[in-house]
Amino acid sequence: SAVISQKPSRDICQRGTSLTIQCQVDSQVTMMFWYRQQPGQSLTLIATANQGSEATYESGFVIDKFPISRPNLTFSTLTVSNMSPEDSSIYLCSVESSGGLGEQYFGPGTRLTVT
Amino acid sequence: GENVEQHPSTLSVQEGDSAVIKCTYSDSASNYFPWYKQELGKGPQLIIDIRSNVGEKKDQRIAVTLNKTAKHFSLHITETQPEDSAVYFCAAPDISGYALNFGKGTSLLVTP
Repeated sequence: SAVISQKPSRDICQRGTSLTIQCQVDSQVTMMFWYRQQPGQSLTLIATANQGSEATYESGFVIDKFPISRPNLTFSTLTVSNMSPEDSSIYLCSVESSGGLGEQYFGPGTRLTVT
Repeated sequence: GENVEQHPSTLSVQEGDSAVIKCTYSDSASNYFPWYKQELGKGPQLIIDIRSNVGEKKDQRIAVTLNKTAKHFSLHITETQPEDSAVYFCAAPDISGYALNFGKGTSLLVTP
């Protein structure tokens, strides 16, 4: 399995500001994903991030609000822009162990509170 | 896209009893079904998965069964222990075949 770390682990931010979350993997992976988990809820996919191409966003999520970078096969960032209290959530990155229908492993999450 | 329904939303059992969590899916083409355990303050942990070419898979006290005809799969935990207390999520591939659609989760409480 892959070992995934995220920074920061938690943050409290003021509305209108932006936060960039980093995701680092201990091995090279093709597929990386960003999910959001609102308090007490399930996981919702924000976007799929593949190295060398633009991220693919799910319905309800847009690049201007959640820009993503994927500069190499072990690293990705998600920025939450112009934050509002509704953005308070856990943000999780995950990776797939192989190309398609492989096991998917999650990082520890970034707990974001927007005041 | 894939719709995953999970039941029950909460489950309380006594230590040593068995726990069963059930999920249904909508896309008959889905062929990979993982289960995750999420403890408080942590990310989801993959605990077991099953592919559509088998009907059951076991790993010590946990097992997963799959009924492709009925489009449902279940997680079985035997001889439950207090450390099994967590939120459990089932999932199935989304329309892309890469990302996952998750059930709403089951909060399992194992009381001593």
